[in-house]
Amino acid sequence: EVQVLESGGGLVQTGGSLRLSCAASGFTFGSYAMSWVRQAPGKGLEWVSTLDGRGGSTFHADSVKGRFTISRDISKNTLYLQMNSLRAEDTAVYYCAKGGSSQYSGLDYWGQGTLVTVSS
Amino acid sequence: DIVMTQSPDSLAVSLGERATINCKSSQSVLYSSNNKNYLAWYQQRPGQPPKLLINWASTRESGVPDRFSGSGSGTDFTLTINSLQAEDVAVYYCQQYYGTPFTFGQGTMLEIK
Repeated sequence: EVQVLESGGGLVQTGGSLRLSCAASGFTFGSYAMSWVRQAPGKGLEWVSTLDGRGGSTFHADSVKGRFTISRDISKNTLYLQMNSLRAEDTAVYYCAKGGSSQYSGLDYWGQGTLVTVSS
Repeated sequence: DIVMTQSPDSLAVSLGERATINCKSSQSVLYSSNNKNYLAWYQQRPGQPPKLLINWASTRESGVPDRFSGSGSGTDFTLTINSLQAEDVAVYYCQQYYGTPFTFGQGTMLEIK
């Protein structure tokens, strides 16, 4: 059974850093693209970052480029999102989601999400 | 960036009736080399993460009831829900994965009339 489980969310001050983790199981982790998608309170979905399964190429939304970094540890079946220079507008539930064999596919398995609150 | 615009923002449909949600992209998401539309539809029930319903504009995911169907090509797409059930109350999103940023529509809230 495919599962993805996020952790690492919490309350952080403006300008601070946080690292989110996503533990994956039930599939060959290194062969699939993985993404982070966020949802601010009461708002819609916003794509944040994607890591391509095969080559490990990374893609980030302009709103987080230069501040957030997506990475993975295949030996641990874990995806990460390093978030630096956090702003109030980064407050959201962050979802980890599995994609297809490349970054060009829908997201077929989602975690329950982890809440990040950025406050001064 | 490709802008995804859904219509309507919300709709109320009676149980057993049909619901139709539209999604328009600001540029084509049809990849000519493989004739595939790079578009997905998701359902997000209250308090739940999104769930993939339709991939490649019209391919229903395994386990998704056949009352859900996706259609369209190029820039105009439709999600149709036939014989609406109570459990279909949710917000529905379209997303393009033709190019980064992989943008979502603003969402359509579906309620029971």
